[in-house]
Amino acid sequence: SQQGEEDPQALSIQEGENATMNCSYKTSINNLQWYRQNSGRGLVHLILIRSNEREKHSGRLRVTLDTSKKSSSLLITASRAADTASYFCATFSGSARQLTFGSGTQLTVLP
Amino acid sequence: DAGVIQSPRHEVTEMGQEVTLRCKPISGHNSLFWYRQTMMRGLELLIYFNNNVPIDDSGMPEDRFSAKMPNASFSTLKIQPSEPRDSAVYFCASSLRTGDEKLFFGSGTQLSVL
Repeated sequence: SQQGEEDPQALSIQEGENATMNCSYKTSINNLQWYRQNSGRGLVHLILIRSNEREKHSGRLRVTLDTSKKSSSLLITASRAADTASYFCATFSGSARQLTFGSGTQLTVLP
Repeated sequence: DAGVIQSPRHEVTEMGQEVTLRCKPISGHNSLFWYRQTMMRGLELLIYFNNNVPIDDSGMPEDRFSAKMPNASFSTLKIQPSEPRDSAVYFCASSLRTGDEKLFFGSGTQLSVL
């Protein structure tokens, strides 16, 4: 079953704009992770945020976590054409002892 | 580091044939995961190993699927007999320890069962 659900399913923006993707989940978690998948490739880890953290930055990426709302957001600032990919959130809970992926957001950055 | 290595990259086979997918995790990683990705069902965890021992195989769809990890540097996922509905991309991933760390994915095996 899919724990995380991303919103929107697809997003198209112009180069230089910011892209925001959201993830909602159902059960309590230990951490939440974001991954990127380019077409025809494997997933690449972007960032991990733990349940006791509220915000984390990595380069042009900003992730927030609201455990009370069971939601997270991924912000990509100053987007580039190379950011075009599918983005997945994944949650890890101590009870499930496994990482569960959402359905993904397809981001297209137009040059 | 070469990363997680999967073979083959593409596999086309006929219904009823045996298929074996292979994975070499990153050296030093203790956990190995097999995922299946389809448009309809997204990414599904099939099975994972910790220190070469299968921990949770509840995601394995049927008895036709089996996975082994004979040593820390090699794992196989076998489908026998294969069916058209098994067509998907199969990913292997490894991590330093189970789940609480980031996963490193291989490039996947695109399986087509005709």
